[in-house]
Amino acid sequence: SAVISQKPSRDICQRGTSLTIQCQVDSQVTMMFWYRQQPGQSLTLIATANQGSEATYESGFVIDKFPISRPNLTFSTLTVSNMSPEDSSIYLCSVYGAGGEDTQYFGPGTRLTVL
Amino acid sequence: RKEVEQDPGPFNVPEGATVAFNCTYSNSASQSFFWYRQDCRKEPKLLMSVYSSGNEDGRFTAQLNRASQYISLLIRDSKLSDSATYLCVVNSPQAGTALIFGKGTTLSVSS
Repeated sequence: SAVISQKPSRDICQRGTSLTIQCQVDSQVTMMFWYRQQPGQSLTLIATANQGSEATYESGFVIDKFPISRPNLTFSTLTVSNMSPEDSSIYLCSVYGAGGEDTQYFGPGTRLTVL
Repeated sequence: RKEVEQDPGPFNVPEGATVAFNCTYSNSASQSFFWYRQDCRKEPKLLMSVYSSGNEDGRFTAQLNRASQYISLLIRDSKLSDSATYLCVVNSPQAGTALIFGKGTTLSVSS
């Protein structure tokens, strides 16, 4: 298994500001992903965080709005830029390949409220 | 058509009941299938993978029908602690190991 931490666990932000969410895993993993879960909805993949290169974004998500970094095999950040109330959501980091397992584990999530 | 569709729920059952959840997926190229469990205000956690031959883990049985693109989860002898949202999940063939989630089915087990 993998132990994943996210910072911050929650935040309340003003419209127009940006927030960077950190994801740290306790072992090297093959893949890292960022998902969003809006109120009452299921999870939606934002992007795959690629180590040392630009993230791969899903349809409807762009780098200018959600810049992502992955400087090494255990850490990634997601920034939510120029926030609006529609960005209020839970943002979850997930990892795949910890210890060679064919399993995807999720971090505890960051609960973001934009006023 | 949504990529992963599940029973709308909620399912309200008494302790000891047997309950079944169904799920269909649209992309025949998907190769990996899972059931995740999500408790209120918590992250999803893997309940079990789903294999073509069907698989069982204690009170939980998962079935996969590739021809019909259909996945099921059966819970026998329901416990109060089984109350949660159950998410049907398939891999995204276009995004490697990334996952596509259904909206989830909420189960409430009462005494």
